Amino acid sequence: DIQMTQSPSSLSASVGDRVTITCRASQSIKNYVNWYQQKPGKAPKLLIYAASSLQSGVPSRFRGSGSGTEFTLTISSLQPEDFATYYCQQTYSSLTFGGGTKVDI
Amino acid sequence: QVQLQESGPGLVKPSGTLSLTCAVSGDSITSNLWWSWVRQPPGRGLEWIADIYHSGSTNYNPSLKSRVTISVDKSKNHFSLKLTSVTAADTAMYYCARDENWGSYRFFDSWGQGTLVTVSS
Repeated sequence: DIQMTQSPSSLSASVGDRVTITCRASQSIKNYVNWYQQKPGKAPKLLIYAASSLQSGVPSRFRGSGSGTEFTLTISSLQPEDFATYYCQQTYSSLTFGGGTKVDI
Repeated sequence: QVQLQESGPGLVKPSGTLSLTCAVSGDSITSNLWWSWVRQPPGRGLEWIADIYHSGSTNYNPSLKSRVTISVDKSKNHFSLKLTSVTAADTAMYYCARDENWGSYRFFDSWGQGTLVTVSS
């Protein structure tokens, strides 16, 4: 099974900050990574697919990058509505999620 | 716009069977897509359970495979999940999701609102 390790598990940030979340795969998964945002009491929302493709309707301040075993989600300028938990997901072999990164104030 | 809606009992007894259905509207379950179940224990992360194609092809999370059955009903445009021999560890929010694809890439672009299932006597 492919394990996805996210870091950090939580972080505190302020509006306007640049935020970077990392996801490491236990083996190479090329660019088969997606990123989701989840707010309390809500279903996850797709942000990025195929490591760097922005889902329609998602603000351009969200950017995904990486390939192989290391991937990052960057929020260029944190907005109030971005405080949430973020998950990576690999789809290279079966499907697994990372443990999540909670972004709060 | 596609909508997914989970339904099923919110309380299941230990050793019993959890049964959920996901009704799909705004899209045909026979389109060239897979359909998935994902769960999330309270305060914890996401776990993919299984997916199905309208032909009946299925994939399962190896850690749950022995207890899970996913099925599709094309006439009702819905798909279902059964999880047997449940324990308190199966208490979770259960989501259904549309498993979109872009070439060889897959991603969950639409989700149901989720349904909380508690395992308790």
